[in-house]
Formats: sequence, C-alpha cells, structure tokens
Amino acid sequence: DTEVTQTPKHLVMGMTNKKSLKCEQHMGHRAMYWYKQKAKKPPELMFVYSYEKLSINESVPSRFSPECPNSSLLNLHLHALQPEDSALYLCASSQEETGGYNEQFFGPGTRLTVL
Amino acid sequence: AQSVAQPEDQVNVAEGNPLTVKCTYSVSGNPYLFWYVQYPNRGLQFLLKYITGDNLVKGSYGFEAEFNKSQTSFHLKKPSALVSDSALYFCAVRDVRASGYSTLTFGKGTMLLVSP
Repeated sequence: DTEVTQTPKHLVMGMTNKKSLKCEQHMGHRAMYWYKQKAKKPPELMFVYSYEKLSINESVPSRFSPECPNSSLLNLHLHALQPEDSALYLCASSQEETGGYNEQFFGPGTRLTVL
Repeated sequence: AQSVAQPEDQVNVAEGNPLTVKCTYSVSGNPYLFWYVQYPNRGLQFLLKYITGDNLVKGSYGFEAEFNKSQTSFHLKKPSALVSDSALYFCAVRDVRASGYSTLTFGKGTMLLVSP
C-alpha cells in the first residue's frame, strides 16, 4: 500500500465549530507532515511529526492542534478558525526526515472552507 | 536558507514537442533536489529526485531532470509532451533545520499547459 488517505475530502465549518482532519498511511513511514496550500501556491509546512513526536511547528496559530495517536495516523484538530484559514490541507509521509533524502508521499488533501 | 527558484509562471508547449520546466537552486552544502507534480484538486505526486551520482535523473511518466552544478540548475524535461501532462509543477530542495530535522522548501510552481 503506497497511499496516503485523508478524510474528509471537503469540509465546511463555521468560525465557532470544532472539527478534525484525519490522515492515514500504511507504508511504515516514521515521519508525517501537515501542509496548508492556497490555490496555485506552493504548500506551506505547518507541522512535522517524527517517530510520533512533534519535531517542527512552524509557528502555527493555536487554533490548529496536531495529534499523532500512532505511527500510521495523523490528526489536525480545528477550532475557532478564521475565513483566511480556508485552503487545501495536505498530509504527507516519508520514511524519515532527518536525512532529507526521502521523498514525501502526499494525500489528496481536505478542501476546507471557513464561513 | 536553502531556496529554489522557478522563473516561469507558465510554460506552453504543443503536444508531441519536448518540454522543459526550469528550476535553479541556492544551497549551502550538497543539494538534495526534488520535482513534484500536482493535478487539479489533487495532492502532490513525486516525480524524481537528485541526491548524488549521475547528473541525469529519470523519473515517473517519462520525465527526467538534469542536475547542473555549475549553473545551479535542475530543469525538468520530457522528450514528447502529452496533453495529460498539463498540471502544476513544483521544484523543491531539502532544508536542514538547526534541530537536525529536514524539511522541503518549494519553489512557487510552474503551470504547464500542453495544447493538442
């Protein structure tokens, strides 16, 4: 299985809602990533987990809260978002990331709209 | 900090013609370079990478890239373009943080449009 899956595909939420994005991989990868992507722009790194521990937080606002329950799962909890948070949220995984030579495998993304 | 530049916002090519999508890099140390493609409403797909070794790297879907150290370039090429190659292409470079962890720094992207 060489796939990264993400659910839901689409999400519409109000600014007071709480929702979660889910990402799953079964490739045995030990590094997992969250990115935010605006239309026709490059992905912006948000968080990196390495061996289930948060290794990089790109100064993301606390209304985004990542969680890595186990080596195959990555969640992104959303609370009190702003309309400017509307974007495509991409999850990725790689074998590990200290060497930097492993390619990342991306999921199809969750299209988030904040009203 | 490591960076890559994609000088063209868009590249237009006719089907059957060769295509080139340009990427130049600025790094300290040895560059680890990657190309990804993104089709509409999809995630990024890995095409190829240069870590070390042969300067000509072959990847998925008939794409290849040439690493040129003197010109600090890593251009993506394909001998014969297909309409289905139309997509957004990103060049990326490894960026090693002070913590020792590595991330990818992406270029701004180049839209490739292949006309029938």
